[in-house]
Amino acid sequence: DVKVTQSSRYLVKRTGEKVFLECVQDMDHENMFWYRQDPGLGLRLIYFSYDVKMKEKGDIPEGYSVSREKKERFSLILESASTNQTSMYLCASLRDSSYEQYFGPGTRLTVT
Amino acid sequence: SQQGEEDPQALSIQEGENATMNCSYKTSINNLQWYRQNSGRGLVHLILIRSNEREKHSGRLRVTLDTSKKSSSLLITASRAADTASYFCATDGALGTYKYIFGTGTRLKVLA
Repeated sequence: DVKVTQSSRYLVKRTGEKVFLECVQDMDHENMFWYRQDPGLGLRLIYFSYDVKMKEKGDIPEGYSVSREKKERFSLILESASTNQTSMYLCASLRDSSYEQYFGPGTRLTVT
Repeated sequence: SQQGEEDPQALSIQEGENATMNCSYKTSINNLQWYRQNSGRGLVHLILIRSNEREKHSGRLRVTLDTSKKSSSLLITASRAADTASYFCATDGALGTYKYIFGTGTRLKVLA
């Protein structure tokens, strides 16, 4: 079975801190995604990556950056955390042949 | 803005009843997918239906797609308490990419 893991389930950071959210998948998928999920807004795409060192902005990239140095790992970076970035962050990888996305368990980030 | 909009936002039914939820979208698609999310967890892929298909079944799930109305429905038959979850539709909003757009979800509660 595909496994997508995220570095933390819960995270509390202070305003202005640099925050790293790590995601690792074990199925050699080319495509990986970062979403944030907020009540009433559903999932919104922040960034996605279709290959190592390749990335593309999603719908809400402002305040975020990403890094994909290895195929299995996709990192989301909050350069200077703000309270409006308090959210659930979900990572996913995609199997090309089926278009099916596999999600990690999520990281609930609170910025105080 | 969200491509997919689910309806209703919330649904409460008795165990053994059928649950129907709907998804509307705005632009042409290659395929539409349904996902389930148990409380506070990542999403799990349920079923994919391609734009040239009208109906698809998987176990107790039945999905229909009407491309002329830009809508899809997910039917869960003989519901169980374990079906309690949020359900999301996802569409490939830009043809030829893996940039999926998720709706805001339907919260289903199945009462035992």
